[in-house]
Amino acid sequence: DAGVIQSPRHEVTEMGQEVTLRCKPISGHNSLFWYRQTMMRGLELLIYFNNNVPIDDSGMPEDRFSAKMPNASFSTLKIQPSEPRDSAVYFCASEGTNSYEQYFGPGTRLTVT
Amino acid sequence: GIQVEQSPPDLILQEGANSTLRCNFSDSVNNLQWFHQNPWGQLINLFYIPSGTKQNGRLSATTVATERYSLLYISSSQTTDSGVYFCAVGRRGGLAFGKGNQVVVIP
Repeated sequence: DAGVIQSPRHEVTEMGQEVTLRCKPISGHNSLFWYRQTMMRGLELLIYFNNNVPIDDSGMPEDRFSAKMPNASFSTLKIQPSEPRDSAVYFCASEGTNSYEQYFGPGTRLTVT
Repeated sequence: GIQVEQSPPDLILQEGANSTLRCNFSDSVNNLQWFHQNPWGQLINLFYIPSGTKQNGRLSATTVATERYSLLYISSSQTTDSGVYFCAVGRRGGLAFGKGNQVVVIP
């Protein structure tokens, strides 16, 4: 099993640019989560999907952030326009149907200058 | 939301020593996981343990759900055990993370 796959692993962009982060969950898992890790706020949930449907997006910081899951094997997190305070590590995680255990991808380190 | 407190926040161990990390949480949960974040930033699953006791090599964990706490035991610590240990809890849906236990094992 390849685990949760995220791309890119590192992203450096300028303020105002659009950023798209990608995630492929573990095959057969039906829940997908996006988290963000910063020094100030630690690890926090942004949004989660169940069977490709967004269930809870209360953690999305503002309208500049959007997430989609067009099919069971792919999700995107988009920031438009990006700001320096969006700099963080963004993790994607997935969860199967028979357990609540979540598995995390390697993360995308985003730097907005 | 559910509050998660981890203690101690920082721990320095001599190689070979044993230690106990604690996680307190504020509400009943269906999911409790312990992770190790390595120096490269990866979150490694250690235990999925909403209740009971599990062991994996030198690591073991116990969760007492009725009293809302979990313990992670590290025995015969090695330098590779260094890093941040996170406790995360939840019901159906996303996890709430504690601030972590920063562990440094010195040779």
